[in-house]
Parts: sequence; structure tokens; C-alpha cells
Amino acid sequence: QSALTQPASVSGSPGQSITISCTGASSDVGSYNFVSWYQQHPGKAPKLMIYEVNKRPSGVSNRFSGSKSGNTASLTISGLQAEDEGDYYCFSYAGSSTWVFGGGTKLTVL
Amino acid sequence: QLQLQESGPGLVKPSETLSLTCSVSGGSISTNGHYWAWIRQPPGKGLEWIGTIYYDGSTFYGPSLKNRVTISVDTSKSQFSLRLSSVTAADTAIFYCARHQNQLFDYWGQGTLVTVSS
Repeated sequence: QSALTQPASVSGSPGQSITISCTGASSDVGSYNFVSWYQQHPGKAPKLMIYEVNKRPSGVSNRFSGSKSGNTASLTISGLQAEDEGDYYCFSYAGSSTWVFGGGTKLTVL
Repeated sequence: QLQLQESGPGLVKPSETLSLTCSVSGGSISTNGHYWAWIRQPPGKGLEWIGTIYYDGSTFYGPSLKNRVTISVDTSKSQFSLRLSSVTAADTAIFYCARHQNQLFDYWGQGTLVTVSS
């Protein structure tokens, strides 16, 4: 079971949109709509931003959206704001009662 | 509001066993459908799911650590615990406990740093 593949870093200017990809395999991302995304600020615990590919928990801005195509899930943040800067992790069910995180992506707001 | 709090030694010697406890408050650890998980994060690195337990004691472990990990639950104390044996410096990490339900983690503890060093 390998970690899901995410770009190490992405960046964007305030107001722009960015997308973070999360590539897995047919045995995890490709087989289940159980992909979630977490935002982590330095020194803090991760926070759930998206679950079941494209659902937002109560209280999460609608600037955050998720999607999936084949073995790749994506997180899109529109109208980028300074507070969005941080690390983002995808997470997927991998079958047989196991789960796997992505390697993480550092988002920089320029 | 559900709260989780990790506790345990912040320093463990190589080859010894790391032991942590997560105390759950503001809700029941025995609620149907709610599972409880341990996740770790080496300094400056990414998150790794360690394992998950249900209140009935059913456990699920990640493949990389399953030979060294034991997760247990004490419903009377509203706690669940992690034991990681034969630790090395590579096991130095922030350890988080979290509620694992419906394929996601919705509540997290603040995390506790455990350093493996002699």
C-alpha cells in the first residue's frame, strides 16, 4: 500500500483558483468514493475540508470543492485567500479495512 | 462538543515500547458507527494512518506498522490506547488521535510529540 501521490507544492495569488491533485490506484481512489481532504496549518491538527470526494462539512467555505476522475481526485480552491495557505492532504479508503493518506501539498498564497 | 486528548511520555528509548492514550470527552466512545484512530506525522513530513478501533475491540491496522502496533479500547474510561513496540528514531513523530467515522476523520486531538532517543 503506497501513499497517494500529491504535488509537493502549489501556489497562487489572492483571488485566483488552484487545484491539488491526488493520484492513487484502481484499488483505492479509483474504486471508492471515499476521498477526503484535510487542511493543516503549522502546529495545528488537520481539519476536514472535503469528504466523499465532493461534500463539504458544515462551516467549510464553498470556495473549496472536490472532484474525482478515474484514479485521481482533486481539490480546488477558488478565490484564494491568505488564510488558505497551509498543507493539504488527501485520504482514501484502500479496501480491506485499510486507508491511506497522500504525501501532502504545501499551498503558498503569493 | 466532542474533545480528544492524547497523553503519554514525550520521550521513549530506542527498542522500547511507545504507549499513548487518547481520552474522549463530550460524547460516547461506544456510539454505533463511530470508530477511533491513531495517526502520526514525523516532524516536517506527512500524515500516516496507523490504525483504527471500534468500541467492541475490532481493530484495523495499516500495513507498514501492523507487526509492531496494538490499539486497545477501555470504554469504562472512555479511552483508547496505542502501543508501538521496538521503536527507533524513525518513529519520532507527532501522534494524533481522531474520531474515524464514515471514512473520514472529523474530530482530532491536538497531537503529542513523541521523541525516540537514548
